[in-house]
Amino acid sequence: AQSVTQLDSQVPVFEEAPVELRCNYSSSVSVYLFWYVQYPNQGLQLLLKYLSGSTLVESINGFEAEFNKSQTSFHLRKPSVHISDTAEYFCAVSDTDSWGKLQFGAGTQVVVTP
Amino acid sequence: GAGVSQSPRYKVAKRGQDVALRCDPISGHVSLFWYQQALGQGPEFLTYFQNEAQLDKSGLPSDRFFAERPEGSVSTLKIQRTQQEDSAVYLCASSLGPGRGSTEAFFGQGTRLTVV
Repeated sequence: AQSVTQLDSQVPVFEEAPVELRCNYSSSVSVYLFWYVQYPNQGLQLLLKYLSGSTLVESINGFEAEFNKSQTSFHLRKPSVHISDTAEYFCAVSDTDSWGKLQFGAGTQVVVTP
Repeated sequence: GAGVSQSPRYKVAKRGQDVALRCDPISGHVSLFWYQQALGQGPEFLTYFQNEAQLDKSGLPSDRFFAERPEGSVSTLKIQRTQQEDSAVYLCASSLGPGRGSTEAFFGQGTRLTVV
């Protein structure tokens, strides 16, 4: 069985400031890790994923996440946020052999203000 | 459209009423998933189809929940005798399928079910 913990339910941040969203997981098997974003009134969109290889993964809009196996973490960071980054962010994990079945965290609401 | 389409977007049901929620996956996607997202929570897995075969229904909360995908494309999630605790957003996702080079699941906008 797996579980995902997102330690912050809401993160307020000023525009152009950095942000870090924390995600820890527990699993007895190898996993794939994902961050999804949900903008207001929209569906979940994949932001980035870790499957194998380099432990640092990046998205096209400036987010990055680092897989830390020893700490079972997959924290999401962005050095400078925009107003448009206001959204809910979900960390998710799946077994490598049942990759489509996702276990989600409870989500972190990011609110960016000027 | 090119994405996963769900209908209706909103559904209000009286307690005890049966409801049917529809999902049109991306054309050619073999895998289809249903999730339930309660208010303030992350999505919870309900069931998984590979083509028309329902390979995993371990997340269905009770025997009032039933899902089908008879032709391996469109899927319907049916909830019988709805209860207030069934109020949630029901999300559908599809992906190319195992062994086909993609690990990304594409989500629809969901159906918000409110049971009154």
